[in-house]
Amino acid sequence: GAGVSQSPSNKVTEKGKDVELRCDPISGHTALYWYRQSLGQGLEFLIYFQGNSAPDKSGLPSDRFSAERTGGSVSTLTIQRTQQEDSAVYLCASSLDYRGVQETQYFGPGTRLLVL
Amino acid sequence: QKEVEQNSGPLSVPEGAIASLNCTYSDRGSQSFFWYRQYSGKSPELIMSIYSNGDKEDGRFTAQLNKASQYVSLLIRDSQPSDSATYLCAVNWWVTGGGNKLTFGTGTQLKVEL
Repeated sequence: GAGVSQSPSNKVTEKGKDVELRCDPISGHTALYWYRQSLGQGLEFLIYFQGNSAPDKSGLPSDRFSAERTGGSVSTLTIQRTQQEDSAVYLCASSLDYRGVQETQYFGPGTRLLVL
Repeated sequence: QKEVEQNSGPLSVPEGAIASLNCTYSDRGSQSFFWYRQYSGKSPELIMSIYSNGDKEDGRFTAQLNKASQYVSLLIRDSQPSDSATYLCAVNWWVTGGGNKLTFGTGTQLKVEL
């Protein structure tokens, strides 16, 4: 079946502009995760959703970052007033359910964001 | 702060040799451990998961877990040039209030040389 999809695959924006990144999880997966990976760095957890709710927002780096999920499916990560340090690959992952300790997260291809 | 430590490498091994990748973690309560492979410019893909102490084998890959030492490793036998990638160790832990969270190491870059 189809995997996790993300759009756009690449985004170039100017400092100060807002951007929206989209993630479409694997069908039937109730848990959805957002990560950020800067060049040469590991994955930084941002936020996760179980259904439409986000129990853990602790990873969002600032109040310029927000995310929502509607219909228990598609999620949007919004970055307001982008800064150059926001440049990174934004990865989305989904898993069947957030509660199982053996749940595997499957990653999408990522959105490469470049803030000029 | 939950931490996962990996040697960044690069780890260079000749083709056909065994590559050994190591990972340590800080949270004794962690129950699930994952190895992801990430090719340059691509997203991580799961190659192994392990939940119990001991070894778990899948083809050329063997994951080893020692919870007492808070140590997990990945062995790749008969290494091939196509195994050249960054290997990410990920450790699961339970967030109070709900949900599992994965913490990733920064990855070990493996280079398999002809």
